[in-house]
Amino acid sequence: QVQLQESGPGLVKPSQTLSLTCTVSGGSISSGTYYWSWIRQPAGKGLEWIGRIYTSGSTNYNPSLKSRVTISVDTSKNQFSLKLSSVTAADTAVYYCARATYYYDSSGWVHWFDPWGQGTLVTVSS
Amino acid sequence: QSVLTQPPSASGTPGQRVTISCSGSSSDIGSNTVNWYQQLPGTAPKLLIYSNNQRPSGVPDRFSGSKSGTSASLAISGLQSEDEADYYCAAWEDSLNAHVFGTGTKVTVL
Repeated sequence: QVQLQESGPGLVKPSQTLSLTCTVSGGSISSGTYYWSWIRQPAGKGLEWIGRIYTSGSTNYNPSLKSRVTISVDTSKNQFSLKLSSVTAADTAVYYCARATYYYDSSGWVHWFDPWGQGTLVTVSS
Repeated sequence: QSVLTQPPSASGTPGQRVTISCSGSSSDIGSNTVNWYQQLPGTAPKLLIYSNNQRPSGVPDRFSGSKSGTSASLAISGLQSEDEADYYCAAWEDSLNAHVFGTGTKVTVL
């Protein structure tokens, strides 16, 4: 059973770069046709998709964050990572990593997240 | 940013049926499949429904999903106290080339 675990600093200073890693266990990050995604949730608010990466290195990002986001993958370590630059207090949130199933069929694009990591709180403050 | 609209809250007594709506557009729900996630307090979201109406293994059949045009719905029949949670719809958005979530609905069991 695949499990995901986020790790990284819980406190980042304004204008710096937020860096998180998601470690995949119980299966290879390269197996199957999955994308690997980052999602965040500010306290008391809804979910926001940050972006995703395929093991080939192909990425898609949320247009509202695209200029500041980089997602990368390290298949040798079974990990993928998030970097968010020039952070402000508005970037304070719980950050989740998740596996995304994604394919096209007669119903259109089919895209869901399962499983999810437990989430890690990142606070942007001086 | 949320482009899928949900009512902020819904409630019911144990045993009742509760329905949550999710309104989108032709470039998201109208073109692609809808998923639903349940988020219990203090926990990560959990996949509840995928591909409009499919339940992952382990999800009770009290939960059902449907889609019509640019809207989708999640129904919880036989409401139980453990169903008290936040529920989010989601879909791929073609014009943004991005995944979008709904605004979320808090379900309260009275």
